[in-house]
Amino acid sequence: EAEVAQSPRYKITEKSQAVAFWCDPISGHATLYWYRQILGQGPELLVQFQDESVVDDSQLPKDRFSAERLKGVDSTLKIQPAELGDSAMYLCASSRGRVASPLHFGNGTRLTVT
Amino acid sequence: TQLLEQSPQFLSIQEGENLTVYCNSSSVFSSLQWYRQEPGEGPVLLVTVVTGGEVKKLKRLTFQFGDARKDSSLHITAAQPGDTGLYLCAGGGGSQGNLIFGKGTKLSVKP
Repeated sequence: EAEVAQSPRYKITEKSQAVAFWCDPISGHATLYWYRQILGQGPELLVQFQDESVVDDSQLPKDRFSAERLKGVDSTLKIQPAELGDSAMYLCASSRGRVASPLHFGNGTRLTVT
Repeated sequence: TQLLEQSPQFLSIQEGENLTVYCNSSSVFSSLQWYRQEPGEGPVLLVTVVTGGEVKKLKRLTFQFGDARKDSSLHITAAQPGDTGLYLCAGGGGSQGNLIFGKGTKLSVKP
């Protein structure tokens, strides 16, 4: 079964540095999500794309976070500058976008900010 | 703002015991999904329920969607160590296909 690919798997960075995460969704999935998950808690939506357009970025800290999906396929999430509180798992998911469509998650990028 | 409350937050039981995990909200959802997540991996879908009162069974797991579509439960019969993980409920209600996740129930099944 096709999977959502994410890289890197782990990232350690110093505060105030820039960091970027990459996601390649399942082919044909129009909707792509970036979630942030604090250890042991549920995922929190950062941004949702429908094709190349952002449909929900209300919870994205736009002063330091940015996300793009230029060709409506793969996506990049960037943090600049990183802060200690950004340490978390960053999960990418994709779906067909229909109501009740299941989300298919990648295995995430574990970010540690020192 | 739609919120999903999951309880209990943590659950530690012995192999062979039964358990129930709850997911509650004051909001109505058009669908509700349950996911299971193992350490270091992304959540994996277990089931989707869309009709009020719906009951779905998946081997030893039984999922129920409340009549008013505001709550759901997950019951596991004869839990096994392989059931250990973080169980997440997620409610869908928007036309954009977005999901709101609960904070999860961390289940540990000891042999």
